[in-house]
Amino acid sequence: GQQVMQIPQYQHVQEGEDFTTYCNSSTTLSNIQWYKQRPGGHPVFLIQLVKSGEVKKQKRLTFQFGEAKKNSSLHITATQTTDVGTYFCAGQEYNQGGKLIFGQGTELSVKP
Amino acid sequence: GAGVSQSPSNKVTEKGKDVELRCDPISGHTALYWYRQSLGQGLEFLIYFQGNSAPDKSGLPSDRFSAERTGGSVSTLTIQRTQQEDSAVYLCASSLEGGEKLFFGSGTQLSVL
Repeated sequence: GQQVMQIPQYQHVQEGEDFTTYCNSSTTLSNIQWYKQRPGGHPVFLIQLVKSGEVKKQKRLTFQFGEAKKNSSLHITATQTTDVGTYFCAGQEYNQGGKLIFGQGTELSVKP
Repeated sequence: GAGVSQSPSNKVTEKGKDVELRCDPISGHTALYWYRQSLGQGLEFLIYFQGNSAPDKSGLPSDRFSAERTGGSVSTLTIQRTQQEDSAVYLCASSLEGGEKLFFGSGTQLSVL
């Protein structure tokens, strides 16, 4: 069945450093979504990528969807303490309806 | 309501008992999902409902788990003969259409003693 792998599992950075999390799917995806879960909270939608090679930016966050639509990345420039949380990718396969499979997440901690 | 509502927020039960978890999606959302999240872990897909189509039950871990969605709105996840390994946060999410952005509820923390 479909698998979505995310690395790293944990990342500890100093405030101001950059951060990247990577997401890889075992199958080609129709789209990929990214979510952020703050400690004690529930996942909140960040963005959806649909096109091969797509790049989208939200302030300090840059999201990429690979050319083969099997991998994606989230890059945060100059992290802040407000970026703390777990970042999840979620992939949707073709011909699987709206089923979304989540990666294991990358937990980001930021030292001030 | 304004968001996805789940109840109860916390449930403590004894091993072997049945539990029912409820999810009220955002009005007008046709898709509804259930996920399970163990402490410090990712989101494990359980089941997905889309309109009047047959649900995708491919993530249900055993036949002790079942879910229904009545009238295309409220959903109930039932776990029969609960086991300690069922302890987790059960998250419900809805979206306007399947595959679009998910809005999550705050979850039900299930503890099986």
